Amino acid sequence: DVKVTQSSRYLVKRTGEKVFLECVQDMDHENMFWYRQDPGLGLRLIYFSYDVKMKEKGDIPEGYSVSREKKERFSLILESASTNQTSMYLCASSFRESSQSYEQYFGPGTRLTVT
Amino acid sequence: AQSVTQLDSQVPVFEEAPVELRCNYSSSVSVYLFWYVQYPNQGLQLLLKYLSGSTLVKGINGFEAEFNKSQTSFHLRKPSVHISDTAEYFCAVSQRAQKLVFGQGTRLTINP
Repeated sequence: DVKVTQSSRYLVKRTGEKVFLECVQDMDHENMFWYRQDPGLGLRLIYFSYDVKMKEKGDIPEGYSVSREKKERFSLILESASTNQTSMYLCASSFRESSQSYEQYFGPGTRLTVT
Repeated sequence: AQSVTQLDSQVPVFEEAPVELRCNYSSSVSVYLFWYVQYPNQGLQLLLKYLSGSTLVKGINGFEAEFNKSQTSFHLRKPSVHISDTAEYFCAVSQRAQKLVFGQGTRLTINP
C-alpha cells in the first residue's frame, strides 16, 4: 500500500515565522508535489520535483520554497508566514512516466493557520 | 494553458438516486483526465482515469465517467448513491501526465 505521510495534521504559526512542512513517501516515486487547497479554488500547484535536488515552480510559488535532498522526502518552506497562507496543504507523489498509471497519491493534508 | 471547470459547486441528492457531476476542460491537444474524491478530513484518492481507448471509464465504488472529445467534457455518474458517497469530488486534466490541473471541486451531499 502506497503511503504518503505529512508531518502534522494541524499547525498554528505566527505571522513572520519560518514554517516547514514535511512530506515522506514510501513508494520510490520520482515525482513529488505540493498543493494548496482553498474552498472554491480547488487544488493549486505550488511546487513540483521530478528528482532529488530538482524543482519546478507551479502556479502559485510566491512566498514558498522547497527542498528535496532525498528521494522520499519533499519539504515545503514558508520563509515568512503571512495570514494569506492560512490554508490546507496537500503533498502528493507519483512515478515519473508510466504506461500503467499516472496516479498521484496524496497525503492526508496539513491544515495551517497563520495568526 | 489548460483549465478545468466543474459546473456545480454543490450537488444535493437523495440516497439511492442517480447523480451526475459535470466537468469541462479546455485544451487543444490530447489530454489525460481524472476524477479524485476527498472524504472528510482525508487526502484525495483516485476514483477513475481516462488515458486512451474506450470513452466510458469505470472506477471504484460504482462510479463511471464518459470522455466526450467534441464537447471537451468528462462527466462523472453513479446510478444509485449511498450516504457514504458524501464527499468532495475533483476533476483534473493533464497534458503531460506528470502535472495535474484541478477543477474547483463539487461537494456531493447525500440526504436520507
